[in-house]
Amino acid sequence: ETGVTQTPRHLVMGMTNKKSLKCEQHLGHNAMYWYKQSAKKPLELMFVYNFKEQTENNSVPSRFSPECPNSSHLFLHLHTLQPEDSALYLCASSLRGTQYFGPGTRLTVL
Amino acid sequence: KNEVEQSPQNLTAQEGEFITINCSYSVGISALHWLQQHPGGGIVSLFMLSSGKKKHGRLIATINIQEKHSSLHITASHPRDSAVYICAVRLSDDMRFGAGTRLTVKP
Repeated sequence: ETGVTQTPRHLVMGMTNKKSLKCEQHLGHNAMYWYKQSAKKPLELMFVYNFKEQTENNSVPSRFSPECPNSSHLFLHLHTLQPEDSALYLCASSLRGTQYFGPGTRLTVL
Repeated sequence: KNEVEQSPQNLTAQEGEFITINCSYSVGISALHWLQQHPGGGIVSLFMLSSGKKKHGRLIATINIQEKHSSLHITASHPRDSAVYICAVRLSDDMRFGAGTRLTVKP
């Protein structure tokens, strides 16, 4: 248990569905991250929020839309995904560099 | 070519052995992380380094900034150390990850 929770843990969705992933931490951290881990590929950083402001967006397709309403919550809104978007989506948070990871949401797009 | 290279890709050891995993990178970094990922996906951050050496229990991490190289050592390895170990480097506006080293420690 790292103190970072993610829901749901597993999600299966069709290409026309809209769904959201949620990440929550009450560690007092000021930065939150979304990562994608596809099968047999290295981790990829998708989005970074510092003090609720998005500071990095690594050329992620617009079908992924992050939202950070406060420093404890982070969402990843999904719409019109493709089968190649199937992956493990990990959230992390940090205060002074060391990142604490959530357990991940395993997403399957049919 | 990946900007972060790890070796070996796979490593099998007997319980009690000393383990070394290496990470080389080709870009300027502000920090380097070692992560541990267990089956099922959960990731634990082991170390964050910007210079020198850090030790936590049986784990030791070192970094040589001039040579752009880091090592993760595990002393007295145990089957519960079996996991994928990932090297990650922090750039000014991004992070890059190695492909990971899959460690299996047999009893």
